[in-house]
This record gives sequence, C-alpha cells and structure tokens, in this order.
Amino acid sequence: QKEVEQNSGPLSVPEGAIASLNCTYSDRGSQSFFWYRQYSGKSPELIMFIYSNGDKEDGRFTAQLNKASQYVSLLIRDSQPSDSATYLCAVNYRPEGANSKLTFGKGITLSVRP
Amino acid sequence: ETGVTQSPTHLIKTRGQQVTLRCSSQSGHNTVSWYQQALGQGPQFIFQYYREEENGRGNFPPRFSGLQFPNYSSELNVNALELDDSALYLCASSWGFDSEAFFGQGTRLTVV
Repeated sequence: QKEVEQNSGPLSVPEGAIASLNCTYSDRGSQSFFWYRQYSGKSPELIMFIYSNGDKEDGRFTAQLNKASQYVSLLIRDSQPSDSATYLCAVNYRPEGANSKLTFGKGITLSVRP
Repeated sequence: ETGVTQSPTHLIKTRGQQVTLRCSSQSGHNTVSWYQQALGQGPQFIFQYYREEENGRGNFPPRFSGLQFPNYSSELNVNALELDDSALYLCASSWGFDSEAFFGQGTRLTVV
C-alpha cells in the first residue's frame, strides 16, 4: 500500500508569516508530486506541481522536493487569511507494467490569523 | 474555474438504490479519474479512464463502475448503495495519466 503522510495539524500562523507544510511518501518510484488547496465544502484546487528534485517557485508559493529523503513540502510566504484552507499533498506513482494513480494524504488545515 | 463540470451537485439516495454521477472533462483532456472523499479525509482513488478504457482501479468493490464516452466525458455508477457511500465524489481530468489533474466541483452524495 503506497502511503502519503502529512502532519495532522492544524497549523496556525499569523498573517505575513511563512507557512511550511510537509509531506512524506513511501514509494521511491513516485514520479510526480502535487499540492492542492481545498476550501471547506469545495473541491481541491491545484496550486503547485513538481517533478524534479529542488525548489519550484510560483508567486508566494514554493514547492520543494527531495526524492532521496522522500519528502515534498510547500512554503507559503506572506501568508494571508485567504490562504486558510486544507492543503492536500498528492503523489503520482506508476509501477512498471501497471497503471498510475494519484494518492492523496489526509491533508493539513492551515489557519492564518489576521 | 477548471472547465471540469460535474452533475448533479447534491444528491440524496436511499440505501440499496443505484446512482449515476456525470463528469465533463476539460477541453483537450483525454483522461478522467474518479475519487471518493469522506469527511476529514483525502480523496481516495476509485478508477481512471483513458481513451474510453479503464486504466487503473483503486480498492473499491465491483458495484462501483464507470465508463468514458468518445468525447471523454465520464459516468460513475454505484449500485446497491450503502450508508458508507455517503461522501463527496470528485472527478478530475488530465492530459494523459501522469500530468496535472484538475477537479470538478464535486457531487455530494448522501445515502439515508
């Protein structure tokens, strides 16, 4: 069973701070990594994806991938109250000869205090 | 807006009944995946369709079935509904099975 683990949270940060969200995955064959944001009662919204080791920046968001340590993280700079949501880490894995599927963590709830 | 649309948005069914949920994929996308999300949990993969064929299945019983049409829209069918089937059902479309997937707004199914 391929697993994706996220800190249970919730995580609370003051407005303007950096929020750091972490995720580990169990299978070294995992190939692509995604962060989704989900507001209460809504569907997940893709905010970042990363395929290679290192950092990928998009505006206030930075995704970091370390395949050797099997973790992926999301940094949110200058956090805003509108960033308050549940953040889902998802990992795509395609074993040899089999079909790929996206495996999600349980998510971590972020609260940004004004 | 992702361009992925699902219908209906909400549904109430009685235990033992059957339900069909529908999904229109984003223009240009040929792959549709279905997920079940229980309250407080991450989405769980049900199955994926690529070019009208099932391309992978999660740990769900056979009473969960689906199909994909030539225009790449898709249906999820659930037979013999159980109370535990109450959840948010999400459809995601992508170009191929390794690229970024975009979700529709979901269908909230309540089984009573």
